[in-house]
Amino acid sequence: GESVGLHLPTLSVQEGDNSIINCAYSNSASDYFIWYKQESGKGPQFIIDIRSNMDKRQGQRVTVLLNKTVKHLSLQIAATQPGDSAVYFCAENRNSGYSTLTFGKGTMLLVSP
Amino acid sequence: KAGVTQTPRYLIKTRGQQVTLSCSPISGHRSVSWYQQTPGQGLQFLFEYFSETQRNKGNFPGRFSGRQFSNSRSEMNVSTLELGDSALYLCASSLTNNKVTEAFFGQGTRLTVV
Repeated sequence: GESVGLHLPTLSVQEGDNSIINCAYSNSASDYFIWYKQESGKGPQFIIDIRSNMDKRQGQRVTVLLNKTVKHLSLQIAATQPGDSAVYFCAENRNSGYSTLTFGKGTMLLVSP
Repeated sequence: KAGVTQTPRYLIKTRGQQVTLSCSPISGHRSVSWYQQTPGQGLQFLFEYFSETQRNKGNFPGRFSGRQFSNSRSEMNVSTLELGDSALYLCASSLTNNKVTEAFFGQGTRLTVV
């Protein structure tokens, strides 16, 4: 049958704004989560990770929040720059002991100068 | 420190042919995972190798296979190619698979089946 392309949700922001990208995960047993950034023509680039025993983790200009109660993950990017424009994926590890990651469908972030 | 290297970057094959893709992980990393990325299905897990053993496998037909060598380099093979196999094939390497750590991706191999 005909395949339907993924319609990625898009977040459009102005340069300098703070961006928040959300992700819902499905498996309450997942214990490790990663955010990736993928620019056109490139492989996913690791941004930040968090384990299930934490609620928050901060990196350089990025913060990941984990709410296990509602199985929700968010990535906050401070002072968003045009170079942040990309597709952002959350990924979860559902199989303890294996490195397998299950990816969300992604969010496209568009940053206007 | 070199990142994950995938070769070739681009490949065009005809239906029915087979193809072999290569992945060299980050030095010291022993776990290699393969993913298929398409506009329709997103990023889907293919298989994972650790110490030359396949530890986990995704929901793909048997035409998709892989292996890992003693130096942790990995190859994946797709036989009897179909148009739907056109995709970006990504390899990710991790330090170990006993406890999940950061997984770093290569640039991918763009496979086009005509």
